[in-house]
Amino acid sequence: DIVMTQSPTFLAVTASKKVTISCTASESLYSSKHKVHYLAWYQKKPEQSPKLLIYGASNRYIGVPDRFTGSGSGTDFTLTISSVQVEDLTHYYCAQFYSYPLTFGAGTKLELK
Amino acid sequence: EVKLVESGGGLVQPGGSLRLSCATSGFTFSDFYMEWVRQPPGKRLEWIAASRNKANDYTTEYSASVKGRFIVSRDTSQSILYLQMNALRAEDTAIYYCARDAPLWAMDYWGQGTSVTVSS
Repeated sequence: DIVMTQSPTFLAVTASKKVTISCTASESLYSSKHKVHYLAWYQKKPEQSPKLLIYGASNRYIGVPDRFTGSGSGTDFTLTISSVQVEDLTHYYCAQFYSYPLTFGAGTKLELK
Repeated sequence: EVKLVESGGGLVQPGGSLRLSCATSGFTFSDFYMEWVRQPPGKRLEWIAASRNKANDYTTEYSASVKGRFIVSRDTSQSILYLQMNALRAEDTAIYYCARDAPLWAMDYWGQGTSVTVSS
């Protein structure tokens, strides 16, 4: 199974500041056939279903604000929020779609400093 | 508009069974892989089952934690995804979500979730 290691677990932030969340896979998530990394980022608010933010490691999903950016390659990936808003203070998860079983990171909770 | 609506959750005793449904609309059900994902209280999201699309003969995959106990199936005539859960354990207590697996290599649409509590 591919293990997804996400850090940090908690992050205290100030509104309008830049935030970076990291995710490391235990093996490469790159498909040379499709030329894509099978890595996605989700936002999860309490009592709501997960929302797709980033797919293919760096592609912003429809309607996602451009303050959210995904980057990385191979096994190391990053989600950056350029200027955190109050509505961004919630949980974030990375997930790999390279192979079954699909696996998620442990999550990062953004809190207000 | 793509919609996924889960139902069938509830309180069940250890060892009992439950069948979850995920009614879908707004897309061609047979064209897409479908997934079940759960989130136990205070824990991370956990993928548990997949149903591949018609082109892949609706074959299935399961996580080790549910293999042999849970069965994923489809009613293609009604575009409904099912999760039959047998031999339920306390650790199966979670919010269960169905999700569409898009050709983006990500789950793009999710249902609202249905709560399952396994307790005596």
